Amino acid sequence: AQSVTQLGSHVSVSEGALVLLRCNYSSSVPPYLFWYVQYPNQGLQLLLKYTTGATLVKGINGFEAEFKKSETSFHLTKPSAHMSDAAEYFCAVSGYSSARQLTFGSGTQLTVLP
Amino acid sequence: EAGVAQSPRYKIIEKRQSVAFWCNPISGHATLYWYQQILGQGPKLLIQFQNNGVVDDSQLPKDRFSAERLKGVDSTLKIQPAKLEDSAVYLCASSSLQLSGNTIYFGEGSWLTVV
Repeated sequence: AQSVTQLGSHVSVSEGALVLLRCNYSSSVPPYLFWYVQYPNQGLQLLLKYTTGATLVKGINGFEAEFKKSETSFHLTKPSAHMSDAAEYFCAVSGYSSARQLTFGSGTQLTVLP
Repeated sequence: EAGVAQSPRYKIIEKRQSVAFWCNPISGHATLYWYQQILGQGPKLLIQFQNNGVVDDSQLPKDRFSAERLKGVDSTLKIQPAKLEDSAVYLCASSSLQLSGNTIYFGEGSWLTVV
């Protein structure tokens, strides 16, 4: 069984400030981890993913995330927020079974203040 | 490359009516998913197909929801009769182990309001 907890349903940052969105997971097998972004009235777009190898992964739009097995975490960061980053962000986990299903967290709404 | 296509984008129906959503996955993607996203929540898997067979429909409310993928390409999700709590975004997604590895690609969603 797998689950994802996203701490903070709403996060506000000033433009140019560090963005930190928290994600903790639970998985009975080594996980694959994902961050998706959802802009208003749109579907989900993949930001980045961790499967194997390097634990620090870089994604689109300047975002990155680090897989920390000991902390069961996969927090999303961006050094400098931009107004266009305002959106909802979802962390998701899957196992490497053939089913390849995603289990999502409840999401974090990011607001960027001018 | 064309993405996952869904229609209609928006639908408003009265409770107890029926509705159908259509999805065309990325070309060559054998795996197709339907997710339900209720406002303020993360998406929840309803059903997963591998080609035209069902892999997992354990969270599909089978008394009112049905889905098919007859030719292993596009898929239809039907709700009959609809309830107020079915108001949500219905997201179709697809993947291919050979073509996309472990990445699942999502469509823009079909937004359902039941009044």
